[in-house]
Amino acid sequence: NAGVTQTPKFRVLKTGQSMTLLCAQDMNHEYMYWYRQDPGMGLRLIHYSVGEGTTAKGEVPDGYNVSRLKKQNFLLGLESAAPSQTSVYFCASSYSFSNTEAFFGQGTRLTVV
Amino acid sequence: AQKITQTQPGMFVQEKEAVTLDCTYDTSDPSYGLFWYKQPSSGEMIFLIYQGSYDQQNATEGRYSLNFQKARKSANLVISASQLGDSAMYFCAMREPQGGKLIFGQGTELSVKP
Repeated sequence: NAGVTQTPKFRVLKTGQSMTLLCAQDMNHEYMYWYRQDPGMGLRLIHYSVGEGTTAKGEVPDGYNVSRLKKQNFLLGLESAAPSQTSVYFCASSYSFSNTEAFFGQGTRLTVV
Repeated sequence: AQKITQTQPGMFVQEKEAVTLDCTYDTSDPSYGLFWYKQPSSGEMIFLIYQGSYDQQNATEGRYSLNFQKARKSANLVISASQLGDSAMYFCAMREPQGGKLIFGQGTELSVKP
């Protein structure tokens, strides 16, 4: 099993450009999450989804949009990238039971210049 | 609102000694789960241990144990017999079953000295 796969692994964007990060999981997980990781800030939750067709805002949702049209995929969009969005982005997924851990993708390093 | 706090940005420990990484949390939900993850320099997130709010005993997984003090809202990770390979970032996380939100603390960078 592939687990959680993020695409792409690296990307450089110019300010104002748009892009979509794809997260795919093959474990039939209900919950999916997008985080950004910045030095000294830990992992901050951007958006999350508790099931197909549902999304919810996390701690730092501004500047991002998400969609979960299929259970296995969770897309994170940047409509107009800003240098402040330079970060490492992690996707995670889990079963809906509270005692199950989240499985993480390998991360996407995004630089906005 | 949910909140996770890790107050130790960096910690040092001598090889073979035990170390405690602090984590405090805040939630109004009586039911929640607490997790610890390890992130080595390679970047992947590795699940270490889980503690449920209703669990009567502290969780243990090999050299990892969780010192869960519910009244104090703390969930400290104890690593026994530290190894050089334990050098990494460690994150505490909490999930409330209602809504499924999973949030993380700022992390603690652990360095194990030979």
